Amino acid sequence: NAGVMQNPRHLVRRRGQEARLRCSPMKGHSHVYWYRQLPEEGLKFMVYLQKENIIDESGMPKERFSAEFPKEGPSILRIQQVVRGDSAAYFCASSPLAGGGAFFGQGTRLTVV
Amino acid sequence: GIQVEQSPPDLILQEGANSTLRCNFSDSVNNLQWFHQNPWGQLINLFYIPSGTKQNGRLSATTVATERYSLLYISSSQTTDSGVYFCAVRPPQGGSEKLVFGKGTKLTVNP
Repeated sequence: NAGVMQNPRHLVRRRGQEARLRCSPMKGHSHVYWYRQLPEEGLKFMVYLQKENIIDESGMPKERFSAEFPKEGPSILRIQQVVRGDSAAYFCASSPLAGGGAFFGQGTRLTVV
Repeated sequence: GIQVEQSPPDLILQEGANSTLRCNFSDSVNNLQWFHQNPWGQLINLFYIPSGTKQNGRLSATTVATERYSLLYISSSQTTDSGVYFCAVRPPQGGSEKLVFGKGTKLTVNP
């Protein structure tokens, strides 16, 4: 049973470009969460999604950031017009049901140059 | 919102030593998990432990939910135990499933 799969592992973007981060949850998991980890800090919640629904986006920046979890395919975290402050590690987690414990992917390290 | 405090922030051990990491939280929780982030940045599940005690090899954890703390014990530490240990909790309010993370304990095990 493969774990949570994130790709790419590393992503370099120039300021103003778009970044797309992908996350495939564990088999049988229908709940996906995205977190951001700034250097030398803990993880901060961004958004919680179920298939085709955003349940809680209270941690998402108001502009440039969006997330989706379509009926088919991986969850996508999209950052438009990236700035240097977006450089961070972005982790995806999934769980089989609400509150069942979350399992994390290996993260995508975004560097904005 | 709920506050999660971990102590100590940094810990340096010699290989073979034992250690105890602490996580205090400011409100009741529905879920508590311990994670190990290794030096390569990977986040590894250690325990899902909203209450009680669990053991896995040299690691064990205890959560006393009524007193709002959890402890992670590492026995006979090895250099591969180095990294940052995070405690994360899920508060029950509002139906949200988000985890609130502490700032972590950075553990360095020297040979």
